[in-house]
Amino acid sequence: NAGVTQTPKFRVLKTGQSMTLLCAQDMNHEYMYWYRQDPGMGLRLIHYSVGEGTTAKGEVPDGYNVSRLKKQNFLLGLESAAPSQTSVYFCASSLGLGQRVVETQYFGPGTRLLVL
Amino acid sequence: KNEVEQSPQNLTAQEGEFITINCSYSVGISALHWLQQHPGGGIVSLFMLSSGKKKHGRLIATINIQEKHSSLHITASHPRDSAVYICAVRGYGGSQGNLIFGKGTKLSVKP
Repeated sequence: NAGVTQTPKFRVLKTGQSMTLLCAQDMNHEYMYWYRQDPGMGLRLIHYSVGEGTTAKGEVPDGYNVSRLKKQNFLLGLESAAPSQTSVYFCASSLGLGQRVVETQYFGPGTRLLVL
Repeated sequence: KNEVEQSPQNLTAQEGEFITINCSYSVGISALHWLQQHPGGGIVSLFMLSSGKKKHGRLIATINIQEKHSSLHITASHPRDSAVYICAVRGYGGSQGNLIFGKGTKLSVKP
């Protein structure tokens, strides 16, 4: 099993450009998350999904959109990139059991994004 | 005030030393996590606690719910333990996925 993978690993954008980050998991997990990690700050939740076709906002959702069309994939979109979105982005997933989430989150390797 | 505070921010130890990293939180929680972020950036979950103590190899995690405090101990530290250790808490209610993360403790173990 590959676990959680992220594409791309690194990207440079100009202000105003758009891009999509792809997260894929092969563990049949219901829950998926997008975080950003900035120097001197803890991981912050951008958006998350509790199942195929559902998404919800996290702590810092502005400037991002997400989609979960397939259970194994969770896409994070930047429609018009800004320098403030320079960060390292981590995707994670966790198993759900009925209405309860199994707490352990499995993280992808991260995507380093630089917006000039 | 941050809801999750870790101390120290940075820690340097000699190989073999006993290490303690602390985490204090200000909200009621349903669970507390300890994670390890390797120098290459990868993040791995170490423990999930809701009470008491857990042990895995040389790592021990404890939590005191009344005092809103958790500690991560590393016995017989080794240079391969060098990493950033992150504490995260999950509160009651709200969304299923919302963890609140501390800023991390950077540990460097010298040979």
